[in-house]
Amino acid sequence: DTGVSQDPRHKITKRGQNVTFRCDPISEHNRLYWYRQTLGQGPEFLTYFQNEAQLEKSRLLSDRFSAERPKGSFSTLEIQRTEQGDSAMYLCASSLRIDTQYFGPGTRLTVL
Amino acid sequence: QKEVEQNSGPLSVPEGAIASLNCTYSDRGSQSFFWYRQYSGKSPELIMFIYSNGDKEDGRFTAQLNKASQYVSLLIRDSQPSDSATYLCAVNFDDKIIFGKGTRLHILP
Repeated sequence: DTGVSQDPRHKITKRGQNVTFRCDPISEHNRLYWYRQTLGQGPEFLTYFQNEAQLEKSRLLSDRFSAERPKGSFSTLEIQRTEQGDSAMYLCASSLRIDTQYFGPGTRLTVL
Repeated sequence: QKEVEQNSGPLSVPEGAIASLNCTYSDRGSQSFFWYRQYSGKSPELIMFIYSNGDKEDGRFTAQLNKASQYVSLLIRDSQPSDSATYLCAVNFDDKIIFGKGTRLHILP
């Protein structure tokens, strides 16, 4: 257990529905990252927060994806109008510095 | 485009031997490099990071960096069955960590 928690751990939804995931980082970590990982691939960068500011967002991230980190604590990732191609493991990581990134257990999304 | 390339494997190594994992990256300006281990169904776990050219050792693990060749490697000495996992090379591009696809390592008992 790294101290980073994610909820839910598994989510099954129907195509077209909206889903929201939550990440609680290690309390003193100011950086928070979201990644997506599919089978046989490495984690793919989605977005990054430093405190409450969203500093970068992958150009691969469509407008259906949005992330927030109110008050620089927990973060949420919302996917609107889910598609089957959104099925993946969504990973959150937090760090104090770029070289000490700790991953949560992930949320596995299945879109039917 | 910023890319990190790894051989997907599987790489099979006898128990007790040295496992050698390699990675190349596209951006000469990258300053920090990471190796993560990922067991099946689990999230990645940081093993080592390296900033400077040369070798960095931590227990049975040695990371090697050659910035001129844009090449990073990970050596695992005295390989154990518990080392069987996917090893992900990652590179920091402007505070954004880009991962390779990973190399599957299988330690043969």
